[in-house]
Amino acid sequence: SYELTQPPSVSVSPGQTARITCSGDALPRKYVYWYQQKSGHPPFLVIFEDNKRPPEIPERFSASNSGTVATLTIAGARVEDEADYYCYSTDSTSSYRVFGGGTKLTVL
Amino acid sequence: QVQLQQWGAGLLRPSETLSLTCAIYGGSFSGYFWNWIRQAPGKGLEWIGEVRLDGDINYNPSLKSRVTILVDTSKNQFSLKLASMTAADTGLYFCAGRRKASDFWGRGTLVTVSS
Repeated sequence: SYELTQPPSVSVSPGQTARITCSGDALPRKYVYWYQQKSGHPPFLVIFEDNKRPPEIPERFSASNSGTVATLTIAGARVEDEADYYCYSTDSTSSYRVFGGGTKLTVL
Repeated sequence: QVQLQQWGAGLLRPSETLSLTCAIYGGSFSGYFWNWIRQAPGKGLEWIGEVRLDGDINYNPSLKSRVTILVDTSKNQFSLKLASMTAADTGLYFCAGRRKASDFWGRGTLVTVSS
């Protein structure tokens, strides 16, 4: 079955740039979505269709999808950005959806 | 603003069938992808299945033999049934709707499977 691979954890100091990657063979042909999840809450969409930001998401969140790797970038990370981040996409035949394993972002 | 309200039994015995329902308020059923997603304690998100814009329903291949998603457009609801539950199915179950930047989630239902 199709898998999306993320690093388990990323750690940065406040103000630094955090980058979270997501690898998958079908990514060149399928949109990637990124979700933020804070403890005890449902996930929250921060990026849709590879690199588009919902209106309420700060500009410091951006993303790209190039080749088989998608990257979520948080410029000038803040303590409030600490959360688990998940990429989300579709297999090559568009039969089913898949979440990456999640990346715990620590900002301290 | 679309809101999702979900409900169903939270405590099941092994081999029983999970039944959850999600009601859509403030929006219509059409025009969105409607999903069920779960999260085991301390683990990541797992996609269970989806009702697509054209009405097709797709399932996670690893759960396909046990899962059924039903739709009741007259009530603006969709439901999840997961058969032959085991302890490995314990977790938080979410219903969610999405289309482009619009993304809505229920609060989640904690499901525990225990004898």
